Amino acid sequence: QKEVEQNSGPLSVPEGAIASLNCTYSDRGSQSFFWYRQYSGKSPELIMSIYSNGDKEDGRFTAQLNKASQYVSLLIRDSQPSDSATYLCAVNEGSSNTGKLIFGQGTTLQVKP
Amino acid sequence: GAGVSQSPRYKVAKRGQDVALRCDPISGHVSLFWYQQALGQGPEFLTYFQNEAQLDKSGLPSDRFFAERPEGSVSTLKIQRTQQEDSAVYLCASSLDGQGNYGYTFGSGTRLTVV
Repeated sequence: QKEVEQNSGPLSVPEGAIASLNCTYSDRGSQSFFWYRQYSGKSPELIMSIYSNGDKEDGRFTAQLNKASQYVSLLIRDSQPSDSATYLCAVNEGSSNTGKLIFGQGTTLQVKP
Repeated sequence: GAGVSQSPRYKVAKRGQDVALRCDPISGHVSLFWYQQALGQGPEFLTYFQNEAQLDKSGLPSDRFFAERPEGSVSTLKIQRTQQEDSAVYLCASSLDGQGNYGYTFGSGTRLTVV
């Protein structure tokens, strides 16, 4: 059973702080890693993708990947109340080559003004 | 269309009733996925189409679930004899390529409630 694990939270941070969201995965064949943001009652929205070890920055968001440790993280700098949402980590199923993604259960982030 | 369109947005079904959920993907997107999301959980894979071919249906929970994409565009997820455990949000997603290199674009989902 291929798994993606996230701490469900809630993770509470003050406005302006850095929020750090973590994810581990079990499938060593996975090559593509994604972070989705899901507001309550809405569908998931892709915010970051990462494919190679290291950091990838996009505005206030930084994704970090360590394939040896099977670990993906998302940092949100200068957190805003509008960042309050559930963040889903998704990893492609390495053996399928179809784009099938395995999702974690999500971490709920609360940014307090 | 500009995005992935799903209908209906909400569906209430009596236990034992058949339902059909529709997904209209982004024009030109090769891959189409159906996921089921229970409250407080991440999306769970149901099935995958590449054009009109259903290449993976390993996530369908039972033979009451059936999906099709006959012309490689619109897809329908059908659930026969609905049960209370089928209550969830059903998400459709499409992707430009067949390998998922770019992630998915999700539709707004259909919230199914079985009473």
